Amino acid sequence: GAVVSQHPSWVICKSGTSVKIECRSLDFQATTMFWYRQFPKQSLMLMATSNEGSKATYEQGVEKDKFLINHASLTLSTLTVTSAHPEDSSFYICSADIGGGNNEQFFGPGTRLTVL
Amino acid sequence: AQTVTQSQPEMSVQEAETVTLSCTYDTSESDYYLFWYKQPPSRQMILVIRQEAYKQQNATENRFSVNFQKAAKSFSLKISDSQLGDAAMYFCAYRSRGGNKLVFGAGTILRVKS
Repeated sequence: GAVVSQHPSWVICKSGTSVKIECRSLDFQATTMFWYRQFPKQSLMLMATSNEGSKATYEQGVEKDKFLINHASLTLSTLTVTSAHPEDSSFYICSADIGGGNNEQFFGPGTRLTVL
Repeated sequence: AQTVTQSQPEMSVQEAETVTLSCTYDTSESDYYLFWYKQPPSRQMILVIRQEAYKQQNATENRFSVNFQKAAKSFSLKISDSQLGDAAMYFCAYRSRGGNKLVFGAGTILRVKS
């Protein structure tokens, strides 16, 4: 149980285009989902916290208009990288909080974004 | 704000030997959770072990155990009988009891030699 999926696993796009990444909790409802960014051999950097039915809370320094997050249901959150540039190339990971006092976050397998 | 420090960027261990990864944290809270996550080359984050701060007993999961020193704010991970499959990046993480965000350390790359 407690499986989180991400789609796509790898995406290549041209500079200036937008890319959408989906994060789904497959067998549980996630009240809160998180989006991280990770550069090679570095730690996970929290970008934003996504709550179902409300606006995402972005971490300091993360551009809200560039990284659009939508949490339309208790099983789906999406991250859209708008007007992507090569510096947006990175590994994006989502996680989901099952809530109800359970303290564990369940992580998706990640999405590798390459912007040409 | 809470911080997590992993002072060992890389560690190496011989297969079947024991290795300890260090983690210290800073917090003014008394109740929280601590975690060790493993990130293998596939980059899927895997929970290795967790510790609840109010529990004095050190958590153990098979070959993985922790040394939790609350007063010293130290949370080290011991891997016994190391296996090739243990090679990965290991992250120490902190979470407040009342919160839901994880605060990660910088990570330690563990190499296992055969």
